[in-house]
Amino acid sequence: EAAVTQSPRNKVTVTGGNVTLSCRQTNSHNYMYWYRQDTGHGLRLIHYSYGAGNLQIGDVPDGYKATRTTQEDFFLLLELASPSQTSLYFCASSEQGANTEVFFGKGTRLTVV
Amino acid sequence: GDSVTQTEGPVTVSESESLIINCTYSATSIAYPNLFWYVRYPGEGLQLLLKVITAGQKGSSRGFEATYNKETTSFHLQKASVQESDSAVYYCALGDASSGQKLVFGQGTILKVYL
Repeated sequence: EAAVTQSPRNKVTVTGGNVTLSCRQTNSHNYMYWYRQDTGHGLRLIHYSYGAGNLQIGDVPDGYKATRTTQEDFFLLLELASPSQTSLYFCASSEQGANTEVFFGKGTRLTVV
Repeated sequence: GDSVTQTEGPVTVSESESLIINCTYSATSIAYPNLFWYVRYPGEGLQLLLKVITAGQKGSSRGFEATYNKETTSFHLQKASVQESDSAVYYCALGDASSGQKLVFGQGTILKVYL
């Protein structure tokens, strides 16, 4: 069973603060993703990567950086957190191809006060 | 752009009743879209419920089924008899397999099943 682990599960920070969300997958998938999920919206793609050192921009990248340090680890960075970034963040991983499944972590709830 | 629209929730049904959650999509930039239903139980991540990668095909899992209809751009989720344990949030998603499997999600539908 594919496993994607996110940490922390909950985080509260202040406006202007610096936050790093971590994600590790143990299935050697090439692709990893960061999504945010807000009430009234589905999950929206922030950034994704197809391997260590690679970064691709998603649909809602403003205010976020990301870094893929290894095949397993993908980090989301908020360098100047704002209340609009209060959200539920999901990390996911997959292989490439039409018949591939995307595996999700349990989510990190971030509150910016 | 690409988008997915699904039934506004919450949807409340009695156990053993039938269920349909509507999903329609627009895939303007994806040549061969894949279609998915994901489910999220409280405190858990999203889990794949079913997927269909070929237009005209039907996917099924755990009593749920959905047919990929390219003519009506729809992928409605149906179940003949729901159970209380089906209470969750259901997401319809459009996949672009040219970049891993990038997903475009609908807004999610909360399903509440009562005894």
